[in-house]
Amino acid sequence: SYALTQPPSVSVSPGQTASITCSGDKLGDKYICWYQKKAGQSPVLVIYEDSQRPSGIPERISGSNSGNTATLTISGTQAMDEADYYCQAWDSSTPVVFGGGTKLTVL
Amino acid sequence: QVQLVESGGGLVKPGGSLRLSCAASGFIFSDYYMIWIRQAPGKGLEWVSYISGSGNTIYYADSMRGRFTISRDSAKTSLYLQMNSLRADDSAVYYCARAYILCTNGVCFHEKGYMDVWGNGTTVTVSS
Repeated sequence: SYALTQPPSVSVSPGQTASITCSGDKLGDKYICWYQKKAGQSPVLVIYEDSQRPSGIPERISGSNSGNTATLTISGTQAMDEADYYCQAWDSSTPVVFGGGTKLTVL
Repeated sequence: QVQLVESGGGLVKPGGSLRLSCAASGFIFSDYYMIWIRQAPGKGLEWVSYISGSGNTIYYADSMRGRFTISRDSAKTSLYLQMNSLRADDSAVYYCARAYILCTNGVCFHEKGYMDVWGNGTTVTVSS
């Protein structure tokens, strides 16, 4: 079955840029979504089709996908960005695949 | 207003059954795939099952196949998850979500799909 790997945690200072990676075999051949999950709240879609932002998601959140790695980038990180972030893809062998999640800490 | 509201969670003994419901409103229910996703305490997101708008296409995660049954009722604009033979490791918050999957001329492009609307979740606890 297909697997997506994320680092368990990423730390960033306020105002700096946070990068969260998601790796998988030939991931660049697939489309990646990213979800933000805050404690006690439902997940929120922040990126779809690798780099598209749903309405209401700020421009400082962006995504890319190439080779074996997809990256979620948050520029000018704010305290409100502190959350768990999950990458997700669709695969023929395991229809829906989530990464293990990355806890973003804004120090 | 697009909204999903789950219900039916609770405390159940190992081996027991539970039926979750998800009431949808604010969009054409039959136009969308729907999906159940869960999060166990301290764990990540895990997909459970999803179903096409017509109900004709259904997928299950391996660990749920044979124990869980997904269904939908277009007249009631509701999604369901019948869970049988429950185990302690099924304890989780269960979310229903709307899955946008582009379908054209009967062909669906799952690889571009995404979950754009989520419910608030319902908690299932399996314990003796």
